[in-house]
Amino acid sequence: AQSVSQHNHHVILSEAASLELGCNYSYGGTVNLFWYVQYPGQHLQLLLKYFSGDPLVKGIKGFEAEFIKSKFSFNLRKPSVQWSDTAEYFCAVSLYYGNNRLAFGKGNQVVVIP
Amino acid sequence: DAGVIQSPRHEVTEMGQEVTLRCKPISGHDYLFWYRQTMMRGLELLIYFNNNVPIDDSGMPEDRFSAKMPNASFSTLKIQPSEPRDSAVYFCASSARRLRDRELSGANVLTFGAGSRLTVL
Repeated sequence: AQSVSQHNHHVILSEAASLELGCNYSYGGTVNLFWYVQYPGQHLQLLLKYFSGDPLVKGIKGFEAEFIKSKFSFNLRKPSVQWSDTAEYFCAVSLYYGNNRLAFGKGNQVVVIP
Repeated sequence: DAGVIQSPRHEVTEMGQEVTLRCKPISGHDYLFWYRQTMMRGLELLIYFNNNVPIDDSGMPEDRFSAKMPNASFSTLKIQPSEPRDSAVYFCASSARRLRDRELSGANVLTFGAGSRLTVL
């Protein structure tokens, strides 16, 4: 079964700083890749997704992620964070030719200090 | 669309009691997933259904857990008897059928409910 690794579980940064969250997956086949965000007290929401095509994906709220197949990575970035970006961020992977089952990483808790 | 609807939002119960969590998926979605979220283990897939049929329940912790989907618009997750270590947030999610040979617009994207926070004393 595929697994997803997220490092630096707790990230604290100031407003306007740049954010990069790493995501690596273990499966060698063709995959779908996702980043979900969970704001405090809320449910998970889709931030962005990659199925095929341009490996640089732009999502909502200024986030983007880059799929690097050779590194099995799908890192999330935002050039300048805001206090409202305080949330937990989850990377997830599913098989392109499989079912809809998602495997999630353990998440990154991001705190943005005003 | 009202999204994925879960109930109850919060449940506090005593050890040994039966707990039933409910989920209404988005109309037209034919995949339904139950996840459990804890600080220690993150998001764990418990079970998922396709067209009301359980496909993979390997994530269900033990026999005290059971899930059903009697029709396309309703699913339950039951814990009997409950234990303090079952305390967690339980999320239900649904998604649409995949399209294999074209752009997967909408497919494979899970929409999550607001979750049911369970506390077992």
